[in-house]
Amino acid sequence: SAVISQKPSRDICQRGTSLTIQCQVDSQVTMMFWYRQQPGQSLTLIATANQGSEATYESGFVIDKFPISRPNLTFSTLTVSNMSPEDSSIYLCSVVASPNNEQFFGPGTRLTVL
Amino acid sequence: KNEVEQSPQNLTAQEGEFITINCSYSVGISALHWLQQHPGGGIVSLFMLSSGKKKHGRLIATINIQEKHSSLHITASHPRDSAVYICAVRSNFGNEKLTFGTGTRLTIIP
Repeated sequence: SAVISQKPSRDICQRGTSLTIQCQVDSQVTMMFWYRQQPGQSLTLIATANQGSEATYESGFVIDKFPISRPNLTFSTLTVSNMSPEDSSIYLCSVVASPNNEQFFGPGTRLTVL
Repeated sequence: KNEVEQSPQNLTAQEGEFITINCSYSVGISALHWLQQHPGGGIVSLFMLSSGKKKHGRLIATINIQEKHSSLHITASHPRDSAVYICAVRSNFGNEKLTFGTGTRLTIIP
């Protein structure tokens, strides 16, 4: 299994500011993802965080709004830039861990934008 | 039509009841996950299935690949089982992306 921690666990931010969310895994993993869960909705994949190269973004998500870093196989950050109230969501980090390729999720970061 | 559909959307039951949550999907898959999300937002992976049946404590998950259907059962339900249960499938196209159902909100009344 993989144990994932996220910081911060929650935050309340002002419109127009940016927030960086950290994801730390207790083991080296190849596949790492960032998801968003808007209120009352299911999870939506934002991007795949690639180690040593640019993240792969899903349709509707762009690097300028959600820059992602992945400096090594255990750590990634997601920044939510120029926030608006529509960005209020839970942001979750997820990894696929060996040997069974099971997917694990972090505790989430609950973001409220005023 | 969503690729992954769950039923029921909401379920309220008395403590001790046997619970069944269903998941149907329309694509070929390499694996199916059952996830649990508590009100705080964190998600716990309960099971990953590609065939047959798995059991962990009071939880049982089954999958029928031919019928594209999976069920999650909870025996002797308890108020602490109250959560949203999410079915997610990984397609067999070779990537690791998951497609999620909309979730089943389970409330167990003492």
